[in-house]
Amino acid sequence: NAGVTQTPKFRVLKTGQSMTLLCAQDMNHEYMYWYRQDPGMGLRLIHYSVGEGTTAKGEVPDGYNVSRLKKQNFLLGLESAAPSQTSVYFCASSYPAGRETQYFGPGTRLLVL
Amino acid sequence: SQKIEQNSEALNIQEGKTATLTCNYTNYSPAYLQWYRQDPGRGPVFLLLIRENEKEKRKERLKVTFDTTLKQSLFHITASQPADSATYLCALQRGSQGNLIFGKGTKLSVKP
Repeated sequence: NAGVTQTPKFRVLKTGQSMTLLCAQDMNHEYMYWYRQDPGMGLRLIHYSVGEGTTAKGEVPDGYNVSRLKKQNFLLGLESAAPSQTSVYFCASSYPAGRETQYFGPGTRLLVL
Repeated sequence: SQKIEQNSEALNIQEGKTATLTCNYTNYSPAYLQWYRQDPGRGPVFLLLIRENEKEKRKERLKVTFDTTLKQSLFHITASQPADSATYLCALQRGSQGNLIFGKGTKLSVKP
């Protein structure tokens, strides 16, 4: 099993550009999450999904959109990137029974100039 | 609002000693508390979970305690090794449907 994978690993954007981050998991997990991690701030939840076709806002959702068209994939979109969105983005998934243990991907480092 | 604090940003100890990391929380009673390890440039990796009705849990050289009266969890690594050097995150979950709230982490350095 590959676990949780994220694409791309690193990206540089100019202010105003758009991009989509892809997360894929092969563990048949119902729940998937997108976090951002900034120095001194810890991990903060952006959006999450409790199943295919469902999404919900987390702690810091502004400026991001998500879609969960397939159970194994969770997409994070930035419509108009801003320097404040420079961060490391982590995707995670968890067991169908609940959110007890989360499995994280390797992260995507995003730099917005 | 819920608040979770890991008391030390960094902890330096000598190889062979026991490392003790602290996680304190306020304003609510979590159903679960978890500890994760994060190495530089990588995603967090789950280590241990302890429930609100459990006082202590062990896994090999790791031990976690959970004191709901003090609103505190302690994470111990016994016989520490340089390979234990990493950032350790605690996370709280409120109820079976709640999302995890992460602390900022404590960076542990184990010197040979």
